[in-house]
Amino acid sequence: GAVVSQHPSWVICKSGTSVKIECRSLDFQATTMFWYRQFPKQSLMLMATSNEGSKATYEQGVEKDKFLINHASLTLSTLTVTSAHPEDSSFYICSADAGTGGPSTEAFFGQGTRLTVV
Amino acid sequence: GENVEQHPSTLSVQEGDSAVIKCTYSDSASNYFPWYKQELGKRPQLIIDIRSNVGEKKDQRIAVTLNKTAKHFSLHITETQPEDSAVYFCAASKGPGTYKYIFGTGTRLKVLA
Repeated sequence: GAVVSQHPSWVICKSGTSVKIECRSLDFQATTMFWYRQFPKQSLMLMATSNEGSKATYEQGVEKDKFLINHASLTLSTLTVTSAHPEDSSFYICSADAGTGGPSTEAFFGQGTRLTVV
Repeated sequence: GENVEQHPSTLSVQEGDSAVIKCTYSDSASNYFPWYKQELGKRPQLIIDIRSNVGEKKDQRIAVTLNKTAKHFSLHITETQPEDSAVYFCAASKGPGTYKYIFGTGTRLKVLA
């Protein structure tokens, strides 16, 4: 199946610093990618929809200035957590649509990034 | 807003028994319902999905049923094995891939050997 790769897999950063997470579709192009956040033992909560070449669409309650999304190419979307605080510590995971050129088949997920802010 | 409820939150079954997880969605425009299995610290893996024009779908030991009128869909795992132990999430969407998924709250399944 299609491969979505996230980098880094885990990161520890100090409070107040910014962290960038990359989501790449390795063998297909994705005009749309999604960013989710998952707290321990909880569900995946959609943060935003990342659209190639345009602004991301954020879900209600998600601060767009804190979680910057850039989808500069058809294979790469980035999520930057700005001025990170301990409460931003979470598992961040992206997904991408692999249905390029035809009907979408399924969403493929990256392996996730565990962010710990100390 | 869009919401997906999932029950139970935890489920323990004896090896060989069946497990059933149920979900209810709120958005009547949803027409695609995938189920994901997630092991600790790993990415969700699609195990089965169903579209709204189908009432039931089966793949070996796994089956999903959909009642579009009641906005219910369920996951059925038969002949459970210890390796089925994981967290299972249902989701609802207006379509696969391109559209956002609204996930249920998850069910932690434990299969006891």
